[in-house]
Amino acid sequence: RKEVEQDPGPFNVPEGATVAFNCTYSNSASQSFFWYRQDCRKEPKLLMSVYSSGNEDGRFTAQLNRASQYISLLIRDSKLSDSATYLCVVNIPSSGGSNYKLTFGKGTLLTVNP
Amino acid sequence: DAMVIQNPRYQVTQFGKPVTLSCSQTLNHNVMYWYQQKSSQAPKLLFHYYDKDFNNEADTPDNFQSRRPNTSFCFLDIRSPGLGDAAMYLCATSRDLGGGYGNTQYFGPGTRLTVL
Repeated sequence: RKEVEQDPGPFNVPEGATVAFNCTYSNSASQSFFWYRQDCRKEPKLLMSVYSSGNEDGRFTAQLNRASQYISLLIRDSKLSDSATYLCVVNIPSSGGSNYKLTFGKGTLLTVNP
Repeated sequence: DAMVIQNPRYQVTQFGKPVTLSCSQTLNHNVMYWYQQKSSQAPKLLFHYYDKDFNNEADTPDNFQSRRPNTSFCFLDIRSPGLGDAAMYLCATSRDLGGGYGNTQYFGPGTRLTVL
């Protein structure tokens, strides 16, 4: 099983649609979780950290289910400017040590059409 | 604004000609990372520094080296670039290496390396 697995996509949706991204992770010792957004040929940018209680930022809602090892991102009322690749990122313990490192999913490409 | 800066943004080098990429940060973070990202792939961690302590990923080729002369700066040296090293190189920083949200990473804009 891959450490971080995302919907392969791509997703093509019309403006105003609601779109949901799903992600699963394999290491139950993971403690922190993130969604990053990456525009074409640009760097990843932190979109949201994901907390156990769930969190919302405007049109974006992130949820975490530790029992199922599942993370989701919901985008409501999607805009053209939401078109990007969305990366699920999980902080996973490094083998043999107390350090952690971020492990990236392969990303899901979203295109919002007019 | 606190930020991560990379120079140059675009670098063209010849096969086998050493190249150095630069990263600086004003976040005063303890950890600096270098990633390699190829088209349609996730970023791949090459190595990181926690303060002056260097940690190399097991599968990072010897061709890639790094230096961190002080808290603010970190360099990526590619000793003999091959065609397969053409990629985007991303620098990132975080406050710490723990499992919590102090490990949140902030990326620079990247350097796009072309090897001729």
